[in-house]
Amino acid sequence: KNQVEQSPQSLIILEGKNCTLQCNYTVSPFSNLRWYKQDTGRGPVSLTIMTFSENTKSNGRYTATLDADTKQSSLHITASQLSDSASYICVVFLNSGGGADGLTFGKGTHLIIQP
Amino acid sequence: NAGVTQTPKFRILKIGQSMTLQCTQDMNHNYMYWYRQDPGMGLKLIYYSVGAGITDKGEVPNGYNVSRSTTEDFPLRLELAAPSQTSVYFCALGRGRNGELFFGEGSRLTVL
Repeated sequence: KNQVEQSPQSLIILEGKNCTLQCNYTVSPFSNLRWYKQDTGRGPVSLTIMTFSENTKSNGRYTATLDADTKQSSLHITASQLSDSASYICVVFLNSGGGADGLTFGKGTHLIIQP
Repeated sequence: NAGVTQTPKFRILKIGQSMTLQCTQDMNHNYMYWYRQDPGMGLKLIYYSVGAGITDKGEVPNGYNVSRSTTEDFPLRLELAAPSQTSVYFCALGRGRNGELFFGEGSRLTVL
């Protein structure tokens, strides 16, 4: 069964510190991997989308990395801000074997930034 | 989340009642989706549509119905609401099957 596993489940860090969130996925064929940010009470918003040929992609203070060989991705947040407090969801699009929409969602990492 | 409008934002239903969650878009995207999000769980696909007049079941379609008479609207109908349908529902759009998704703000439904 296709799975997307995220770790840690939750994380608390101090404002200004860096952090890294992990995403491991199983099965292939892999098409692209996405990271979404979901603020409390809001819909998910796209941060990055990477194809299997891309190793790194940045969006401001967010940098996503992808190792398609080991089926691992990470999201690194630099110089965290209070507004970074949110859930971060890893989503994998599979050419076949995913959901009807081709997407398999992770459960998310709940990040809290403390002042 | 501009371009995707969901209504209502909150609703409380009694067991056995019916209701429709509305989703309207002005981005002219063909692909539209309904997801539900339960606490601590990943989003689950309920139904999706690849264009007007075409709908298909997702992973968790039981207890729901959809229609897609226009490109802009993709309502989700709950018949005979059950407590298990208590959840947050998200409508999403996509330009293509493997393209970026744009989510609405969500509709929080409680069935008592």
